[in-house]
Amino acid sequence: QSVLTQPPSVSAAPGQKVTISCAGSSSNIANNYVSWYQQIPGTAPKLLIYDSNKRPSGIPDRFSGSKSGTSATLGITGLQTGDEADYYCGTWDSSLSAWVFGGGTKLTVL
Amino acid sequence: QVQLQESGPGLVKPSQTLSLTCAVSGDSITSGGYSWSWIRQPPGKGLEWIGHIYYSGDTYYNPSLKSRLSISIHSSKNQFSLNLSSVTAADTAVYYCARSHHGDFFNSWGQGTLVTVSS
Repeated sequence: QSVLTQPPSVSAAPGQKVTISCAGSSSNIANNYVSWYQQIPGTAPKLLIYDSNKRPSGIPDRFSGSKSGTSATLGITGLQTGDEADYYCGTWDSSLSAWVFGGGTKLTVL
Repeated sequence: QVQLQESGPGLVKPSQTLSLTCAVSGDSITSGGYSWSWIRQPPGKGLEWIGHIYYSGDTYYNPSLKSRLSISIHSSKNQFSLNLSSVTAADTAVYYCARSHHGDFFNSWGQGTLVTVSS
């Protein structure tokens, strides 16, 4: 059971928009930055969003992040088949003194 | 651009110690502002943070692994390492090393190495 809760799967058609939620608590998301990672099967995770809403260089602006209270959201617009992957949120948990990840969300582009 | 590469045995017997090394290139492991992390992923499952170390030697460990875990840094070799003792089949996973910016996010990852615990 992950400390951060994500939906197991989401799906949408090419060109559409999808959001992936990440629910936490006052000891993690509410008081710390959230980051998001994309993992294509068989490869290492890749940083998509850091500091809750910033994109590293090279990440297209189709990807966005937001945070409100104890939840965070990853948004992807203009879906492409290449976006099919597992997506993970993560943050520091101040009570556990540990980094925590969500359970991951599998994105299917229909 | 920093690159990380994990190395170590791919097969470890139950009750033994799992030892992995992460070689860092393209940046000094003594660079300020970064921590050096281990993260694992059991087959078909999600990511689990193991722990991280700063150049100062300060370490932070996953509470669920703390009693079996040791992470150390080897600045002369630009490497850091992981030792996990008393392993069981539940420790079978792909192990990743990663660089974390101030412990806030993981911006560089190794390719990962599969470690299987089996007799």
